Amino acid sequence: GQQLNQSPQSMFIQEGEDVSMNCTSSSIFNTWLWYKQEPGEGPVLLIALYKAGELTSNGRLTAQFGITRKDSFLNISASIPSDVGIYFCAGQDTGNQFYFGTGTSLTVIP
Amino acid sequence: NAGVTQTPKFRILKIGQSMTLQCTQDMNHNYMYWYRQDPGMGLKLIYYSVGAGITDKGEVPNGYNVSRSTTEDFPLRLELAAPSQTSVYFCATRFAHYGYTFGSGTRLTVV
Repeated sequence: GQQLNQSPQSMFIQEGEDVSMNCTSSSIFNTWLWYKQEPGEGPVLLIALYKAGELTSNGRLTAQFGITRKDSFLNISASIPSDVGIYFCAGQDTGNQFYFGTGTSLTVIP
Repeated sequence: NAGVTQTPKFRILKIGQSMTLQCTQDMNHNYMYWYRQDPGMGLKLIYYSVGAGITDKGEVPNGYNVSRSTTEDFPLRLELAAPSQTSVYFCATRFAHYGYTFGSGTRLTVV
C-alpha cells in the first residue's frame, strides 16, 4: 500500500526553539491532515489542508499543503513543554483512501 | 457529546482467549475504522466500515473480525489471542473528507 515518509523520526529541542517536520508521499493527495498524540491518548486533529499551496495556522502551529500535492509540512514556533508528543501526518489519495505517516516524536527540554 | 468511546481501556489476555473491543460513536458518522499501533510505530488499519452492514479488510486483518449492525457501534473481535496482537487499538470515525476522530484507545497485552 501507499507509504507516507515522515521525517524526522524524532526530535529533541530546547524550549523556545522552532520545529519543522514533513511528510512525503509517492502519489498525489487531495487532503493532508496533521495529528498530535499524547501519551495514553488517541491522536487529535491539529490542522486539515484541502488545497495545494494552502497554508493554515492553528496558534503556534502552521501547516502547508505542498504545491506538488505529494508533501506537507508542519511547523511549530516557540516550542513549549506541552508540545511534547508524537505528530502524525495523514493523507487522502485520489481514491479516497487515507494513509498515516509513522510519526515524529517531539521532546521539548525546558 | 462523547464522540468516540472505546472500552475497555486496558486488558490482559492469555494466549488463546477471545475478547471483543467495543467502539461506540454518537456523531452519526458513516465511516468507522479500527487501527492498531505498536510501540514506536504508526497506525495500521485492521478493518473499516463505510456504513451499517458494510465492512472491509484493511492492511492487517488476520486474527480479527468486525461487525457493523448499527451506525453507532463497530466492535472488534479477537478469537484466539496471540502475543503478536499485543498493541494499542484505536477506533476512529470520519465524516466525508474531514479528518478522523479517534477514541482514547484500548491497550491490550497477550501473555
